[in-house]
Amino acid sequence: QVQLQESGPGRVNPSETLSLTCSVSGGSVTKYYWSWIRQPPGKGLEWIGYIHYGGDTNYNPSLNSRLTLSVDTSKNQVSLRLTSVSAADTAFYYCARHDVWGSWLDPWGPGTLVTVSS
Amino acid sequence: QSALTQPPSASGSPGQSVTISCTGTTSDVGRYNYVSWYQQKPGEAPKLLIYEVSKRPSGVPDRFSGSKSGNTASLTVSGLQAGDEADYYCTSYAGITNLLFGGGTKLTVL
Repeated sequence: QVQLQESGPGRVNPSETLSLTCSVSGGSVTKYYWSWIRQPPGKGLEWIGYIHYGGDTNYNPSLNSRLTLSVDTSKNQVSLRLTSVSAADTAFYYCARHDVWGSWLDPWGPGTLVTVSS
Repeated sequence: QSALTQPPSASGSPGQSVTISCTGTTSDVGRYNYVSWYQQKPGEAPKLLIYEVSKRPSGVPDRFSGSKSGNTASLTVSGLQAGDEADYYCTSYAGITNLLFGGGTKLTVL
């Protein structure tokens, strides 16, 4: 059974780069698609993008110019890199397995809070 | 593309049924049978309840059911229980934008 765990810095300075990692256990990162989703505290969910280790990626157009997703098969991890962050990027960040054919997300990691503040 | 439209709140008494709507457009909900529903309890990650409009993952009680008509999808919770209090989110495949979320509905069990 696949389990996910996000990790990251907790706080990032404005204009800098946010980097997060999603560690996958119970299955190979090469077998599935993986998505990132974020949720500002007290607000709704926003899909960030997905990646497959074979190179297939799809990003939310609103983040496309600042976003890079990658897969590290040696560590069984998926990573997110978001540049030029601002307070609007403060959110809980979740990773999830993405069934791109049925367009559903399951399971999800517990999430990690990232605050953009100096 | 804009987020899908959900009512901000819904409520019902224990044992009753409640239906939560999710309205999109002909470019997302109306075009594809790829609507999913998620339950999120305070301090927890969302959990998949319904996928592909009306399918339930293993372990999800049959009190939760989904349907779709035109541009609007619906989640019905039957036999309401106190443990059903949560936020509920819909999603739809939306082509190039790929995945749209609804704004979420807070369900209160009275």
